[in-house]
Amino acid sequence: TQLLEQSPQFLSIQEGENLTVYCNSSSVFSSLQWYRQEPGEGPVLLVTVVTGGEVKKLKRLTFQFGDARKDSSLHITAAQPGDTGLYLCAGRVDTGRRALTFGSGTRLQVQP
Amino acid sequence: NAGVMQNPRHLVRRRGQEARLRCSPMKGHSHVYWYRQLPEEGLKFMVYLQKENIIDESGMPKERFSAEFPKEGPSILRIQQVVRGDSAAYFCASSPLGNYNEQFFGPGTRLTVL
Repeated sequence: TQLLEQSPQFLSIQEGENLTVYCNSSSVFSSLQWYRQEPGEGPVLLVTVVTGGEVKKLKRLTFQFGDARKDSSLHITAAQPGDTGLYLCAGRVDTGRRALTFGSGTRLQVQP
Repeated sequence: NAGVMQNPRHLVRRRGQEARLRCSPMKGHSHVYWYRQLPEEGLKFMVYLQKENIIDESGMPKERFSAEFPKEGPSILRIQQVVRGDSAAYFCASSPLGNYNEQFFGPGTRLTVL
């Protein structure tokens, strides 16, 4: 059973469209991270959220952490082909362990 | 400021051989984590180390796998007597002292077992 469920698994959209990716769990996370991974490379950290209800913006990307710290969303406005990649959410379960638990990822393709 | 470095980037081994994967954390980082990404699966935690100490190895297979982070030099993930099921991408991440929330990943080592 996946501790972090991401949806959708795959998303193919046209340049200029908006999209939202979801990351859900039944567990409480002390922090949650979003990464982007390109083929043949390691995950690149985009953002960390730690406070329930927190919203962070990174250019056209908006990240939100749920009030109960069990879920998160990533919203991309006016997607561009350069946004294509695998988006991963990851978090530390609120037990003091340092290990990150990863979701299975959302594979985004933005068509020009 | 160099990021996390891993070598080799690609490693091919025959069944029964040993694989040694190296990771140099970011400058100033004292915590190292190893994760494995099997084909078409998500990243799975393997082990967390500080200098000369294994802190959490709850994700490590019980046999054939070991990890170390010596006082000097890179962290090493060692897989003895590799089997085809060990074929995967192995990623190392590091974090600075006191900030465990942000782990920065290296480019990975892709291990292929023939």
